[in-house]
Amino acid sequence: EIVLTQSPATLSLSPGERATLSCRASQSVSIYLAWYQQKVGQAPRLLIYDASKRATGIPARFSGSGAGTDFILTISSLEPEDSAVYYCQHRAVWPLTFGGGTKVEIK
Amino acid sequence: QVQLVESGGGVVQPGRSLRLSCAVSGFTFSSYALHWVRQAPGERPEWVAFISLDGSGKSYADSVKGRFTISRDNSKNTLYLQVNSLRAEDTAVYFCAREWSPHYFDYWGQGTLVAVSS
Repeated sequence: EIVLTQSPATLSLSPGERATLSCRASQSVSIYLAWYQQKVGQAPRLLIYDASKRATGIPARFSGSGAGTDFILTISSLEPEDSAVYYCQHRAVWPLTFGGGTKVEIK
Repeated sequence: QVQLVESGGGVVQPGRSLRLSCAVSGFTFSSYALHWVRQAPGERPEWVAFISLDGSGKSYADSVKGRFTISRDNSKNTLYLQVNSLRAEDTAVYFCAREWSPHYFDYWGQGTLVAVSS
């Protein structure tokens, strides 16, 4: 199974700052990686798929990049409502797996 | 609007069974593949099972293979997960999710909690 490792575990930033989240795969997943946002008590929400495509209704401040084994989710200018845990997920092969998450805290 | 509503969770003893349901509205049910994803408290989501549009294709996580069965009734717009031989490590919130693009998840239910405890 492909293991996804996310870093950092926690990111504490102020509104307006730029957040950079990393996801590394144990083997190549090509571009077949998604990012989700999960707020407390809610289901995950799809933000980015195929590494860099924004899902419907996702603000432009969210962007994704990468291919192969290294991927980045960037939030260009943090808003208070961006406080959440962010997970990556691949679809390259079965089983589908998720990363361990990065918690983004807004100061 | 798109809605997925899970039900059927509860507190059960190890070794027992449950049937989880996911009632869907707001989109053409038979046009989408579906998944079950679970999340233990404080843990990452874990993909559990997949079913194709017509139910002919299925895939399972190794951790549930042989114990869980995914099915769908396209006439009732409902997805199911039969969970047998439950173990403590199956304790989690179980979400149903609509597939996007393929094998991503664009709409999720609110989840149903399964707690396995003696």
